[in-house]
Amino acid sequence: SAVISQKPSRDICQRGTSLTIQCQVDSQVTMMFWYRQQPGQSLTLIATANQGSEATYESGFVIDKFPISRPNLTFSTLTVSNMSPEDSSIYLCSVGDVRNTEAFFGQGTRLTVV
Amino acid sequence: AQTVTQSQPEMSVQEAETVTLSCTYDTSESDYYLFWYKQPPSRQMILVIRQEAYKQQNATENRFSVNFQKAAKSFSLKISDSQLGDAAMYFCAYRSGSYDYKLSFGAGTTVTVRA
Repeated sequence: SAVISQKPSRDICQRGTSLTIQCQVDSQVTMMFWYRQQPGQSLTLIATANQGSEATYESGFVIDKFPISRPNLTFSTLTVSNMSPEDSSIYLCSVGDVRNTEAFFGQGTRLTVV
Repeated sequence: AQTVTQSQPEMSVQEAETVTLSCTYDTSESDYYLFWYKQPPSRQMILVIRQEAYKQQNATENRFSVNFQKAAKSFSLKISDSQLGDAAMYFCAYRSGSYDYKLSFGAGTTVTVRA
């Protein structure tokens, strides 16, 4: 299994600012993903972080709002830009690799925008 | 994207009793995986159990077992001998059988365990 470290664990941010969330994996993995979980809701996929190229975004999510980087096979960042209170959610990093059937998750970042 | 439906927003169970959570899904694929994840208040997503679609035998992990009905596209989770630590949100999730680890999640079921 993969051990995933996600930082920060939580943050309270002012509207209009940006926050970058980091996801570090203890081993090289094929795939990395970012999910959003709005209060009391299920998880929704934001994008697939592609190593060395632009992320692949799901419908309803755009690069200008959620820029993603993945410089190598163990690290990715998600930035939430120009935040509004509607961005208050839990953001989770997830990884998958051909060595395992299931996906693994970081502990999530609880973001509150005021 | 595949649709995963959990029709029970909340379930309550007495400690040591059994509770069953329902999940249905919609797919045209023949090769896929199904999972139940548990999310306690800590936010950490914890894998409870997995089922490969090509396997007819229902998966079992200690007190957790599934009833996988492929033709009916149903995947229920049974928690036996419920413990206080089982209290959490439970998500049913679908993954394509290709080398794509994107998950489609159901809405979740909150399980409360009464002492």
